Amino acid sequence: ETGVTQTPRHLVMGMTNKKSLKCEQHLGHNAMYWYKQSAKKPLELMFVYNFKEQTENNSVPSRFSPECPNSSHLFLHLHTLQPEDSALYLCASSRQRGSSYNEQFFGPGTRLTVL
Amino acid sequence: GQQVMQIPQYQHVQEGEDFTTYCNSSTTLSNIQWYKQRPGGHPVFLIQLVKSGEVKKQKRLTFQFGEAKKNSSLHITATQTTDVGTYFCAGPPGGGADGLTFGKGTHLIIQP
Repeated sequence: ETGVTQTPRHLVMGMTNKKSLKCEQHLGHNAMYWYKQSAKKPLELMFVYNFKEQTENNSVPSRFSPECPNSSHLFLHLHTLQPEDSALYLCASSRQRGSSYNEQFFGPGTRLTVL
Repeated sequence: GQQVMQIPQYQHVQEGEDFTTYCNSSTTLSNIQWYKQRPGGHPVFLIQLVKSGEVKKQKRLTFQFGEAKKNSSLHITATQTTDVGTYFCAGPPGGGADGLTFGKGTHLIIQP
């Protein structure tokens, strides 16, 4: 176990639905990330939160809305998604010290299918 | 923006053969990290290289960071079936941005 949990593990939703993905880290880290992993594409960084402040938003469509209420929890709110949004959504956390980059610990991911 | 490229995309080897994957960045990296993702699993951190020309070993795995800090390689000696998976390199995106830019990964397939 990496100490990063994600729920649900699988999600099927229609294009008009609203759902949320949840991530929790038990490692005392101060940075959390959302990545998207699609077939035949590299892991794509979506959002970064450092000490609960969003520091990166890599041109992600507004139908994806992140929320980080504290340094241990991260949510990804989904609404009016498109079939091409079907992918594995991975949460990760790390301990950031200034500009020093430490290893990232990934959760098991949520396999999302949009019908 | 920064690009991280990996080759080959797929590598089939017989069990016991060696395996190497190469990673190239379009920009100089402050550090490079390697991850392994088993089929159906999630990426797991293997190692981080920071110094120019650095070489690190983990049992049968040897990691190198190029002198110019723009390329890296992972070499596995005498592959075993447990080595199956996708190996990713990743580096900071640069410009002070947070997070990691990942390569597409090399899928290692081992035939017994």
